[in-house]
Amino acid sequence: SQQGEEDPQALSIQEGENATMNCSYKTSINNLQWYRQNSGRGLVHLILIRSNEREKHSGRLRVTLDTSKKSSSLLITASRAADTASYFCATDPSGSARQLTFGSGTQLTVLP
Amino acid sequence: EPEVTQTPSHQVTQMGQEVILRCVPISNHLYFYWYRQILGQKVEFLVSFYNNEISEKSEIFDDQFSVERPDGSNFTLKIRSTKLEDSAMYFCASNLVSYNEQFFGPGTRLTVL
Repeated sequence: SQQGEEDPQALSIQEGENATMNCSYKTSINNLQWYRQNSGRGLVHLILIRSNEREKHSGRLRVTLDTSKKSSSLLITASRAADTASYFCATDPSGSARQLTFGSGTQLTVLP
Repeated sequence: EPEVTQTPSHQVTQMGQEVILRCVPISNHLYFYWYRQILGQKVEFLVSFYNNEISEKSEIFDDQFSVERPDGSNFTLKIRSTKLEDSAMYFCASNLVSYNEQFFGPGTRLTVL
């Protein structure tokens, strides 16, 4: 897979359920970030986890990072219809913190 | 809360024409970026800019592209002679420290006819 690939490509859940999205990458990184994009809109930064961190929380979001497996997961707990969006992971390769490589994204649909 | 702004929100142009996309980064930020997203595809890095010069650029950012910070607030992307394949959403981003999160603007949708 390419740098910053998410799976699943699409996820549909009921409101109140948890949503888990995964991201894999290939090169060493400084940090990994998760972004949300509503249809046709800009990218909203959700959370950043550094390469020396294993887990991070922000509100209903929980991100894990396993640098040995070059993978990360984003968990959204108690999902809401407003969480419906595309979610992307983005990595910055070690030695270059000035460009982000985005994955293809997971389209999350939360049904009311 | 401060945010990155971009104008116009939608630009339609004829193939071969020059376009300038404008961005106002967050005021105290020092690093500026342009990305693009072709419809249905990934967000792709174009260029990063710091201290009035390009820091890094991708293969996409060829001689047809240029960036400028003409004053203390604006950051522009110029495409000299647009091609059909330049049709995309163009996002500007900025941050204070290069290793921190990048804050994105709402994007400019460029349509080349």
